[in-house]
Amino acid sequence: GQNIDQPTEMTATEGAIVQINCTYQTSGFNGLFWYQQHAGEAPTFLSYNVLDGLEEKGRFSSFLSRSKGYSYLLLKELQMKDSASYLCAVNNDYKLSFGAGTTVTVRA
Amino acid sequence: EAQVTQNPRYLITVTGKKLTVTCSQNMNHEYMSWYRQDPGLGLRQIYYSMNVEVTDKGDVPEGYKVSRKEKRNFPLILESPSPNQTSLYFCASSSRGYEQYFGPGTRLTVT
Repeated sequence: GQNIDQPTEMTATEGAIVQINCTYQTSGFNGLFWYQQHAGEAPTFLSYNVLDGLEEKGRFSSFLSRSKGYSYLLLKELQMKDSASYLCAVNNDYKLSFGAGTTVTVRA
Repeated sequence: EAQVTQNPRYLITVTGKKLTVTCSQNMNHEYMSWYRQDPGLGLRQIYYSMNVEVTDKGDVPEGYKVSRKEKRNFPLILESPSPNQTSLYFCASSSRGYEQYFGPGTRLTVT
């Protein structure tokens, strides 16, 4: 079976940093995706980690530790437009299993 | 413009009346997939397809059928819809191993 956990909600202030954790226990693993989803919209791709370590992409970074079954998404210099749900998903031979998502609210 | 399209975007139907939700992509992607999204449960994969005539079950395939006769199209069929299939449905496509592009979603209500 697949078990993917992430916090339900997080709140942060504009300009701050927020770290969204994702832990997983899955029957197989090829990589881990992070997606952003604004209310009422489709998910959009943020990152894909296959190997251990940190990958940085502008204000967003994603980290993976396969031995610990752990990933995090780091959002820096938060902006109001970053208020959204963030979804982690484990790729297992093209079967994708998603966590329930973390709703991030950015306050002025 | 590269995109995934779904039709219809909104549908209200009654229990037992067969329906099809279409999905089409113009990016020549091999991989296509269907998901449903429910509050508190996140996205759950229904079916996916690695290429034409190749489909496989995701985590919640019961009550759904798919077909992949052409590379660009991947329709989702509900032979006998029930109220527990009321949900928001997303189609997605990708080149193998890369990011998935999602369609705009289809909000289905079964009464």
